[in-house]
Amino acid sequence: EVQLLESGGGLVQPGGSLRLSCAASGFTFRSYSMSWVRRAPGKGLEWLSIISGSGSKIHYADAAKGRFTISRDNAENTLFLQMNSLRVEDTAVYFCAKDREMLQGSLISSESFDSWGQGTLVTVS
Amino acid sequence: SYVLTQPPSLSVAPGQTARITCGGDNIGVKTVHWYQQKPGQAPVLVVYDDGDRPSGIPERFSGSNSGSTATLTISRVEAGDEADFYCQVWDNIDEHRVFGGGTRLTVL
Repeated sequence: EVQLLESGGGLVQPGGSLRLSCAASGFTFRSYSMSWVRRAPGKGLEWLSIISGSGSKIHYADAAKGRFTISRDNAENTLFLQMNSLRVEDTAVYFCAKDREMLQGSLISSESFDSWGQGTLVTVS
Repeated sequence: SYVLTQPPSLSVAPGQTARITCGGDNIGVKTVHWYQQKPGQAPVLVVYDDGDRPSGIPERFSGSNSGSTATLTISRVEAGDEADFYCQVWDNIDEHRVFGGGTRLTVL
């Protein structure tokens, strides 16, 4: 059974930093692209970033570019999101999500997310 | 950037059919996925690749995609279907995954 468990959320002041983690189990982590998605209060889902299974391909949404860094440790089956220069508008529940299909560690750009963590709350205030 | 447009809300009586639309420029040439999110829960994939269902998703959920509109159809709507629904595609210009704004389905 696929399990994704986020951690690292909390209360931080504007301008501060947080590092989110997503511990994965139940699948061959290194083979799958992983993403971070957030949902701010009263808003919809917002995709933030994706990293290929090998870590060689990374893309960011405009909201994340320059402030957030996605990374992964395939030896530890863990996905990370380093968030710097946090703003009040970054307040949200942050989810990690797994791609449905894999291509030997490469990125399938048009793929869907078939497994999600329960989310971790980040409050910037 | 590629924009996906969904109606903010839709209300349907139990037993009726809900059709949730997702509009985008020539979306018919893209691959569309749909998610259901209930309050306090993580999103769940209900339709992928325009019209395929993951295992465990009822046959009542179906999808189609053509021209400028993709549609998620929920037949014989039940009270338990009440949730927010999101469409998602890949924006090949900006190299982003993109979600629609979401549609809140209310079962009357």
